[in-house]
Amino acid sequence: GQQLNQSPQSMFIQEGEDVSMNCTSSSIFNTWLWYKQDPGEGPVLLIALYKAGELTSNGRLTAQFGITRKDSFLNISASIPSDVGIYFCAGLYYGGSQGNLIFGKGTKLSVKP
Amino acid sequence: DGGITQSPKYLFRKEGQNVTLSCEQNLNHDAMYWYRQDPGQGLRLIYYSQIVNDFQKGDIAEGYSVSREKKESFPLTVTSAQKNPTAFYLCASSISTGNNYGYTFGSGTRLTVV
Repeated sequence: GQQLNQSPQSMFIQEGEDVSMNCTSSSIFNTWLWYKQDPGEGPVLLIALYKAGELTSNGRLTAQFGITRKDSFLNISASIPSDVGIYFCAGLYYGGSQGNLIFGKGTKLSVKP
Repeated sequence: DGGITQSPKYLFRKEGQNVTLSCEQNLNHDAMYWYRQDPGQGLRLIYYSQIVNDFQKGDIAEGYSVSREKKESFPLTVTSAQKNPTAFYLCASSISTGNNYGYTFGSGTRLTVV
């Protein structure tokens, strides 16, 4: 079945640094979504992408829908402490038997000690 | 304000007990989902429902059961057959399956076996 490979699995950030993460798949997706999960809470939608090549921003966050429709990227500029959490990518495809939305395993952002 | 509510936030279960996790939404969404989250495992789909009185198994349905008697409610029962139930459980809803607006998640229930 469809799988999303999200990387990196975890990273440490220092305030002010830029952060990048990505999701890749061998399958084509029609929509890419990026979620953030704060500790002990449910994921919240950050950005939705609907067209190949689309670049969308939400404040300091920028995400792109890959041209091949098999990947997506999320960048966070000038990170701040409240950016810590787990970021999930999700891809929507048509057909299949699992509700049609597939999640990556997440990228955990922590603050450098 | 519309949203999705999970209760309780924390739940403790003794070995051999069944427990039921509540999920209620007032978003008028047709589709609802249950996920299990373990550290480093991401979100794994347990069950989903596209419409009232209908539901399908996800990747890890064994040891779990659900019902969908009302559009607003999708309770999950963790049965004694689930050998490793300690996890964070997330409920979600969407307008329908296959829509491209994504899912709205509840704030989760942390279940611990004692």
